[in-house]
Amino acid sequence: QVQLQESGPGLVKPSETLSLTCTVSSGSISSYYWSWIRQPPGKGLEWIGHIFYSGSTNYNPSLKSRVTISVDTSKNQFSLRLSSVTAADTAVYYCAARITGTTFGYWGQGTLVTVSS
Amino acid sequence: QSALTQPASVSGSPGQSITISCTGTSSDVGNYNLVSWYQQHPGKAPKLMIYEVNKRPSGVSNRFSGSESGNTASLTISGLQAEDEADYYCCSYAGSRYVFGTGTKVTVL
Repeated sequence: QVQLQESGPGLVKPSETLSLTCTVSSGSISSYYWSWIRQPPGKGLEWIGHIFYSGSTNYNPSLKSRVTISVDTSKNQFSLRLSSVTAADTAVYYCAARITGTTFGYWGQGTLVTVSS
Repeated sequence: QSALTQPASVSGSPGQSITISCTGTSSDVGNYNLVSWYQQHPGKAPKLMIYEVNKRPSGVSNRFSGSESGNTASLTISGLQAEDEADYYCCSYAGSRYVFGTGTKVTVL
């Protein structure tokens, strides 16, 4: 059973860069596509992007200019960087494993990131 | 690139069946048999309930079933139970990206 755990600052200032890391345990990072998904308070889910262990990425076009997802296979981790954040980026950020198709089979518990000065 | 459309809320009494719709377009739901459904309880991460339109992961009750017709996918919960009260989201592949539904709050009366 793959387990995922998000980590990173819970508060980021406007115009700065949000950085989160997801640690994968009880499974190999060379399996699946590793995704970031976010959920603003009281709102729905939004797919941010994903990365394969080879480094191949795909991003949501609406966020593409500000997003970078990277992977560190030696640490079984993958990371999210979102630049030039505003209050609209305040959300619970989830890391998830996309097994196939739209099958996000494993999720982290989520971490709330607030953008505020 | 809008979210898929779901009803804001659906309710039913214990033991009844309810159906949640998820309407997209010919660029997402109608073009790929890749719709999945997620259950989310308050403060918790989403949980996969249905994948590839109508397949159930191991451990998910057979009271949950999925279907699709044209640009609309549906999730049916039969024999509604108190523990089914949660938010439900559909998700579809949309050609190099993934789009979620607006979400439906299911209330067990």
